[in-house]
Amino acid sequence: AQSVTQLGSHVSVSEGALVLLRCNYSSSVPPYLFWYVQYPNQGLQLLLKYTTGATLVKGINGFEAEFKKSETSFHLTKPSAHMSDAAEYFCAVKDFGNEKLTFGTGTRLTIIP
Amino acid sequence: DAGITQSPRYKITETGRQVTLMCHQTWSHSYMFWYRQDLGHGLRLIYYSAAADITDKGEVPDGYVVSRSKTENFPLTLESATRSQTSVYFCASSQGTNVDIQYFGAGTRLSVL
Repeated sequence: AQSVTQLGSHVSVSEGALVLLRCNYSSSVPPYLFWYVQYPNQGLQLLLKYTTGATLVKGINGFEAEFKKSETSFHLTKPSAHMSDAAEYFCAVKDFGNEKLTFGTGTRLTIIP
Repeated sequence: DAGITQSPRYKITETGRQVTLMCHQTWSHSYMFWYRQDLGHGLRLIYYSAAADITDKGEVPDGYVVSRSKTENFPLTLESATRSQTSVYFCASSQGTNVDIQYFGAGTRLSVL
C-alpha cells in the first residue's frame, strides 16, 4: 500500500529564511504527488502537483518542489519565508488509475518574526 | 454559491445519537470523498464515491454510512456516534481524471460528548 512520510511534525523558521518541508513516499512506480496547504479553520488548498515531465514543479505563493525518483522524495521549498506562510502542509500521493489520495501526517510551519 | 460546501460547520452531539454531515458540490464532479482529520494521523479516507449510487470504503469506514443518490450531494452519517468519532471531517470532490486534484470543503468540526 502507498504511504507518505513527512519528517518533522513541526518546523519553525525565521521570516526571510529558507523553508524546507520533507516528504518521502513509498511506491514501486512513480506516483502522482501533491502538496496541500491548510490555513487555520479552513479546508485544504492545492499548492502544487507532480504528474509527469519536469521534475521541478512550481506552485502558488513562491513554493516549489522537486521530484527525486532515486530518493523517493518530493520536498517542498520556498527561498524566503513570509509570515503568511504559517499553516499546516500535507504531502499526498496518488497512483495511476486510482483516484484515492494517501496523505502524510502533516507539518505545521511556524514563522518567527 | 459555486464550489463545495459542508454543513454544519460545527456540531456537538452525544454518544449514541445519529448525526449526518452534509456535503454539496456545484461542479458536477464525478468523485467525492470523506476524510477525517486527527492530530498525528493527517487525513484518513472514510468513504468515497465514483458516481451517483457508487460508493466504496476507504481506510477507516467503521461506524459510518454514506449515500449518493445525486451527483452533487454526498452525506456522511454516523449511525450511533462514539467519542472516538470526535474529529474534523472534510469532504472533497474531483473530476476523476488521473491528474486531477481534489477540492476540499471548509470542514465540519464534530464533538461527541
